[in-house]
Amino acid sequence: QSVVTQPPSASGTPGQRVSISCSGSSSNIGRNDVQWYQQLPGTAPKVIIYLNNQRPSGVPDRFSGSKSGTSASLAISGLRSEDEAEYYCAVWDDNLNGPVFAGGTKLTVL
Amino acid sequence: QVQLVQSGAEVKKPGASVKVSCKASGYSFTSYYMHWVRQAPGQGLEWMGVINPSDGTANYAHKFQGKVTMTRDTSTSTLYMELNSLTSEDTAMYYCARAIRVGWFDPWGQGTLVAVSS
Repeated sequence: QSVVTQPPSASGTPGQRVSISCSGSSSNIGRNDVQWYQQLPGTAPKVIIYLNNQRPSGVPDRFSGSKSGTSASLAISGLRSEDEAEYYCAVWDDNLNGPVFAGGTKLTVL
Repeated sequence: QVQLVQSGAEVKKPGASVKVSCKASGYSFTSYYMHWVRQAPGQGLEWMGVINPSDGTANYAHKFQGKVTMTRDTSTSTLYMELNSLTSEDTAMYYCARAIRVGWFDPWGQGTLVAVSS
């Protein structure tokens, strides 16, 4: 059981906006930056949000991140079929002295 | 471009060891810490540990202490992750990932599947 948690699943129809939450504590999200990773089936994870709300070049602006207190959130607007993937939030934990990944959220585009 | 290329899939018997490699290119090898992350079949991502390629010092997640050894070869810009005393629970995909900053990994290797079966 990870010290940061996400809902195991989320879904939406094409064009909709979906949001995925990531909940932690003062030793991780409360003090450190959050990253979000997208893992398409059969591939390695790829960073889509870093430092809470920054998008790497090449990541569509449909993806956005935010953080408040000990929680973070990934939002995907204008949902597309190719967004169907597993999404993980990751953050450094000061107590564990290492990065922690939440359990992942499987996003289904209906 | 920055690239991490891992060694191929391995099949091992219980009790054996396995050594996975991760060859880095396209950047200054000693300037970025390298992490290893495990993903069991159908499961999430699990941090195993980190190595500083500059001096070779490594820090392992508590769960993997005594189980994993991370090393590097600066002459070939290659990182290694060795797992010992394999059991079926070690069957997983293993990734190397370059750390830009704590928790921020980019890029990732393509992954190496290690299967443990008698």
